[in-house]
Amino acid sequence: DGGITQSPKYLFRKEGQNVTLSCEQNLNHDAMYWYRQDPGQGLRLIYYSQIVNDFQKGDIAEGYSVSREKKESFPLTVTSAQKNPTAFYLCASTKAGGLGLETQYFGPGTRLLVL
Amino acid sequence: GESVGLHLPTLSVQEGDNSIINCAYSNSASDYFIWYKQESGKGPQFIIDIRSNMDKRQGQRVTVLLNKTVKHLSLQIAATQPGDSAVYFCAENPGNQFYFGTGTSLTVIP
Repeated sequence: DGGITQSPKYLFRKEGQNVTLSCEQNLNHDAMYWYRQDPGQGLRLIYYSQIVNDFQKGDIAEGYSVSREKKESFPLTVTSAQKNPTAFYLCASTKAGGLGLETQYFGPGTRLLVL
Repeated sequence: GESVGLHLPTLSVQEGDNSIINCAYSNSASDYFIWYKQESGKGPQFIIDIRSNMDKRQGQRVTVLLNKTVKHLSLQIAATQPGDSAVYFCAENPGNQFYFGTGTSLTVIP
């Protein structure tokens, strides 16, 4: 049963703390993406990776970091530098690398809340 | 940045009626569009896509219409069911990345 999994479903962050959101896919997709979703706004791109060991900043990368050591995994770290981290975080993937005409499929999301 | 907007933030329809959800996009270079359905607390689910060389595409109970002249996209859902209640949003891609609309909340009245 192929798909994208994200964990945890809910995550709580204390002030000054770094937290890591997990994203795994078994679709054998090359490209993976992280988006942030806030009420009343469209999804905004944080980081994306077209291939293993390579990633690029999206529109709102400040305060976030990523790694892509394996094709199936693309974890996102929300650092203490991100002053407004409360949001719904969505991971996505596409079959081919790049941001062109490829259908993006999404994971179930992680809701991050600040204590 | 890109601006992808929806004409109506909420839409209520009777069960069995047809639903039409609209989306205006701003980049005339966009050549690929996707409609997503998102239920509360869940990730977006792909519904249907269309490329700019087409005006219409049909799926199971859904139809997407693309009017490039006025930069308008619509999603039609036939015989709307209670399970169709969700937020629907469009995405456009001018070739570099996807830009997403804010969404329309569809409520189906039994």
